[in-house]
Amino acid sequence: EVQLVESGGGLVKPGGSLRLSCAASGFNFNNAWLSWVRQAPGKGLEWVGRIKRKSDGGTADHAAPVKGRFTVSRDDSTNMVYLQMNSLKVEDTGVYFCTSAVFLEGYDIWGQGTMVTVSS
Amino acid sequence: SYELTQPPSVSVSPGQTARITCSGDALPKQFAYWYQKKSGQAPVLVIFKDSERPSGIPERFSGSSSGTTVTLTISGVQAGDEADYYCQSSDSSGFYVFGGGTKVTVL
Repeated sequence: EVQLVESGGGLVKPGGSLRLSCAASGFNFNNAWLSWVRQAPGKGLEWVGRIKRKSDGGTADHAAPVKGRFTVSRDDSTNMVYLQMNSLKVEDTGVYFCTSAVFLEGYDIWGQGTMVTVSS
Repeated sequence: SYELTQPPSVSVSPGQTARITCSGDALPKQFAYWYQKKSGQAPVLVIFKDSERPSGIPERFSGSSSGTTVTLTISGVQAGDEADYYCQSSDSSGFYVFGGGTKVTVL
């Protein structure tokens, strides 16, 4: 079964750090670009960042609101993708989804999401 | 920064047609994708590359493109289609962006 499973969410104080994990299974992970998308309470979807497959350079890109604070990384040996979040702000609160374009162009596979709450 | 503009809401009676637009300057050069998002659930891809439909998505969902606007059309709307719908595309640098979302209400 093709699957993405996020973990690592929780409550953190402003200025703190958190690392989200996403475990992938059921598809050729090495061949995939992996992304993180978030949704703040009552708000829309927001693209956070992505990491390319090694054959495309393996580099990561991040959206402007998180650039310099968040880092997407991957471990192809364990089929894991990570989102390291530093200097967290209240406005980073939301559900974070791991997603990828596995079979089609477009994000056709999504995890169930993990909740991050930044509050004092 | 690049923006995709959607109407905040669309209301439609059961059996009628809902049309959701998404406008962006780069849309003539970049494909658009559409997602259905229900509360508490992960998004579902309903249209990719402007007008292609993934397997398992009902034929009543269709997409089209004209200039700087793409449109998601839901024909014969059903109660289960009530959800938020988001368009997604890329800016000139290849960074992804989502539209603000459109809430579809079935009257």
